[in-house]
Amino acid sequence: GENVEQHPSTLSVQEGDSAVIKCTYSDSASNYFPWYKQELGKRPQLIIDIRSNVGEKKDQRIAVTLNKTAKHFSLHITETQPEDSAVYFCAATARGNTPLVFGKGTRLSVIA
Amino acid sequence: NAGVTQTPKFRVLKTGQSMTLLCAQDMNHEYMYWYRQDPGMGLRLIHYSVGEGTTAKGEVPDGYNVSRLKKQNFLLGLESAAPSQTSVYFCASGQAYEQYFGPGTRLTVT
Repeated sequence: GENVEQHPSTLSVQEGDSAVIKCTYSDSASNYFPWYKQELGKRPQLIIDIRSNVGEKKDQRIAVTLNKTAKHFSLHITETQPEDSAVYFCAATARGNTPLVFGKGTRLSVIA
Repeated sequence: NAGVTQTPKFRVLKTGQSMTLLCAQDMNHEYMYWYRQDPGMGLRLIHYSVGEGTTAKGEVPDGYNVSRLKKQNFLLGLESAAPSQTSVYFCASGQAYEQYFGPGTRLTVT
């Protein structure tokens, strides 16, 4: 089955700097890669996703890149702000009726 | 449109007691999921359902049972609670690839 590894487990950046979180996956059939943000005491919320027919997707300050050959994808946050502080989870799946497989999460701290 | 809701929000159980967690969604989603979240362990899938009347085991199913009698509801049962089941439980639902989470239930077993 699918296995998703996420790095780093913790990340601290200065406000205004960029943050990058990387995930690798094992199943070459995986074709959907979402990212979730979870603020303290809240539910995980979908912030951006990418499908395998696209190499990059942007939404304002966040972007996701996908390298299918190397089987890894990354979340990029530019101009970080204190409200970006949260735990971020990546995930992958090969089919719509199979559950997402999540990475273990990255705790991002943005220092003002 | 409430999205995904969970009942209760908090619960404290004694070892050996039983309880049922209720997840409800009003988005007409086919798929529903139960996860548990423990510090440093991420989100681990307990059971899931791909449609009314169906259930399947996830990564950590032992000690839990589920039922999906109605499309909009997904119940998670603990027959004999153990301290190892102290966790935050999240329900999620989705129609295709995307999953949307409920607010969570914090369960403590003493």
